[in-house]
Amino acid sequence: EPEVTQTPSHQVTQMGQEVILRCVPISNHLYFYWYRQILGQKVEFLVSFYNNEISEKSEIFDDQFSVERPDGSNFTLKIRSTKLEDSAMYFCASTGESSYNSPLHFGNGTRLTVT
Amino acid sequence: GQQLNQSPQSMFIQEGEDVSMNCTSSSIFNTWLWYKQDPGEGPVLLIALYKAGELTSNGRLTAQFGITRKDSFLNISASIPSDVGIYFCAGRSGAGSYQLTFGKGTKLSVIP
Repeated sequence: EPEVTQTPSHQVTQMGQEVILRCVPISNHLYFYWYRQILGQKVEFLVSFYNNEISEKSEIFDDQFSVERPDGSNFTLKIRSTKLEDSAMYFCASTGESSYNSPLHFGNGTRLTVT
Repeated sequence: GQQLNQSPQSMFIQEGEDVSMNCTSSSIFNTWLWYKQDPGEGPVLLIALYKAGELTSNGRLTAQFGITRKDSFLNISASIPSDVGIYFCAGRSGAGSYQLTFGKGTKLSVIP
């Protein structure tokens, strides 16, 4: 079964550094998402992306965050200047053409640790 | 923002027992999804519900989309050790929004 793949599985960075988290969504999907999960807490929506632009974003997704689809297969989340509170699991997800009726398929996540 | 109240927060059950967990909200959702998360992994979709009143099964799992569109439950019958994990409900309100709102999860422990 097709999967959403994320790299790296674990990223350690120093506060203030830039990080790029990478995702390869399921190949025929058109809607892409980033969610995050702080340790022991619920999964929270960050941003949705469709047709090469952000379609929706949450309050968490401030100016430090950006997303990009640099080519036909990758979808990236960049955090420009990481803060301690950015430490979390970051999940990429994708859905098929009709996103209202298409459930999200998540990758296994990237654990980001900011020291 | 929208919130989902998921209960119970955790459960300890004997292998073979049935399990029930639910989510409620003060606002309407047009889609309800149930996910399971194992440690260190992403949420895996169990059941998706798209219509009020819909009752859907996936093996030993059964979930229902409440008539009021403000709640959903998940039942697991005859639990087995591999059912251990955290179960999340998630809802999508529609109305131009694609984002999912997640509950805080129910941590299930199965005693062999």
